[in-house]
Amino acid sequence: NAGVTQTPKFQVLKTGQSMTLQCAQDMNHNSMYWYRQDPGMGLRLIYYSASEGTTDKGEVPNGYNVSRLNKREFSLRLESAAPSQTSVYFCASASGRQNTEAFFGQGTRLTVV
Amino acid sequence: QQPVQSPQAVILREGEDAVINCSSSKALYSVHWYRQKHGEAPVFLMILLKGGEQKGHDKISASFNEKKQQSSLYLTASQLSYSGTYFCGTVTGANNLFFGTGTRLTVIP
Repeated sequence: NAGVTQTPKFQVLKTGQSMTLQCAQDMNHNSMYWYRQDPGMGLRLIYYSASEGTTDKGEVPNGYNVSRLNKREFSLRLESAAPSQTSVYFCASASGRQNTEAFFGQGTRLTVV
Repeated sequence: QQPVQSPQAVILREGEDAVINCSSSKALYSVHWYRQKHGEAPVFLMILLKGGEQKGHDKISASFNEKKQQSSLYLTASQLSYSGTYFCGTVTGANNLFFGTGTRLTVIP
């Protein structure tokens, strides 16, 4: 049982390059999330998706786009990477019912130089 | 919408107790608590759904004051394995989940 799978685990980009972070879950969850984690800032919500076909902005959406491709997959795209986007990115999923936990992927460490 | 946690960091000796607080500026549907070890993903501890609800998990428990939009995590008789960063997560609307800045807990022998 894989749970939440993120790819890649590590990535180095040059300023201005673009890339897509992939996330897939095999738990038939409705809700999926993207967070970034920076020292002293905790986990900040970038975008989330309550169900297939819907996405909503979180606290720090600028510079990012997302796609909920199907129920399993939720991707995060950086169109023109900036050094300020250097961070650890976590994808998470939850069933969407109120009394259930969120499961996290192992994270993607992104460095923009 | 990020909830505020306090303290930012705490150091305990084994066997001591700690309280971590979480407060939100918005009304809460539920509160989650997670623990993250260094270099790993956050792991779920517990969820509180109703105002006044309290839950326990071994020697870790939590309470939720819906009226005050606050939650507290209680760690009793701390063990070395409790070390890590604790996050509260708050649900303020349909399927969102916002996390606080975290509390780094270090337990020393």
